[in-house]
Formats: sequence, structure tokens, C-alpha cells
Amino acid sequence: ILNVEQSPQSLHVQEGDSTNFTCSFPSSNFYALHWYRWETAKSPEALFVMTLNGDEKKKGRISATLNTKEGYSYLYIKGSQPEDSATYLCALSGGYNKLIFGAGTRLAVHP
Amino acid sequence: DAMVIQNPRYQVTQFGKPVTLSCSQTLNHNVMYWYQQKSSQAPKLLFHYYDKDFNNEADTPDNFQSRRPNTSFCFLDIRSPGLGDAAMYLCATSRGDSGGATDTQYFGPGTRLTVL
Repeated sequence: ILNVEQSPQSLHVQEGDSTNFTCSFPSSNFYALHWYRWETAKSPEALFVMTLNGDEKKKGRISATLNTKEGYSYLYIKGSQPEDSATYLCALSGGYNKLIFGAGTRLAVHP
Repeated sequence: DAMVIQNPRYQVTQFGKPVTLSCSQTLNHNVMYWYQQKSSQAPKLLFHYYDKDFNNEADTPDNFQSRRPNTSFCFLDIRSPGLGDAAMYLCATSRGDSGGATDTQYFGPGTRLTVL
């Protein structure tokens, strides 16, 4: 059974700070790792899908890496802005049409 | 814009009173999902439809049922809500091609259910 852990549970940073958080998993027995951003009162929005060890993806100031050998993925935000405040969810594709989520990291960026 | 819509956004029901949550999509996706997220926990898949084929997760209580009358709509029925069923319920869709293993899922904004 896949288990997805995210840390920290919550994070407060100042505007302009760069930050990162972790998604860890005990097994590399999955098809893909997904990152989602979920702003309050909105729909979770897909950020990245990664499948291979060493994958790196970038979208603007946000980037992510995947290390399947050591069982983690990092999400980085460079120069955080208040609009980056959201819950960031990591999920593994454990089988066809099935996502197993972590509990998320709640990020608050203060002006 | 193509999207996933959930109604209502907030639902209050009484203990034991049946309630139905609805989801519609304009993406014409084959797969529709229902997730339950309790406070500060990970969203948990309840079931999904691949077209008309229903796939229930092994640990989804019998109290939860679903209907998909057509491609666009999917409903979550909670037959006898208990206090423990208070949660955010998320609907999602995906194309379902290429086996679905790397499919992006597109989410609605959720329905927050309160049980009194």
C-alpha cells in the first residue's frame, strides 16, 4: 500500500522568501507523482506530473524534482508572493485511474 | 471555459437524512471520481467511473453510493449521513486514455458537507 507523507504540515514565509517542501514515499512502485496547488475556495489545480527518477519540472517561479531511489520529491518556490498562499498536495498514481494523496503543506506568504 | 462544477458548494444535512451531491463536467472526460477529505487529512478516493463502469474502493462504506446517468454528470449519494461523514467532497475528471496511470485529474471546487 502506498503511503504519501508531506512535510512540513504548514509553513509561514515572508514575501520574497524562497521556500521548499517535501513529499516522501516509501516505495518507488508507482506510475507518476503529481503536485497540485489548492487555493482556498477554489479547485485544486495541477502543477506537475513526473514519472522518472531525476525528473525536474518548472513553471514560472515554481519547480519540482523527483528522486525515486531515495523516495522523495521537492517543490520549490522562488521569491514567494502572497498569491502563492495555498495548500500544496502531492499524489502518487498507484494504479490506473487512482491517485493517493498526502495531507498537503499549507503555505502562507505574508506581505 | 471547460470545467468541473460542483453543487452545492456548502451542504448542511441532519444526522440520518439522505443527501445528494452533484458534479458536472464540460471536459467530455471518460473518468469521474469522488474524493472525501476530512479536516487536515489527505483526500481519499471513494470511487470512480470509467465511462459507465463503476469502481468502488474496498474501504468505501456502503453508506456511500454513486450514479453517473451520462458523461457529463455524476452524483454522490450518502444514504444515512453520520457525524463522521462531515467533510469536503471533491469531484474530479480525467481523460482516461493511455491507461490513466499518468493522467492529470481536473477537480471541482468541492462541496463542504456539515452533518448536524
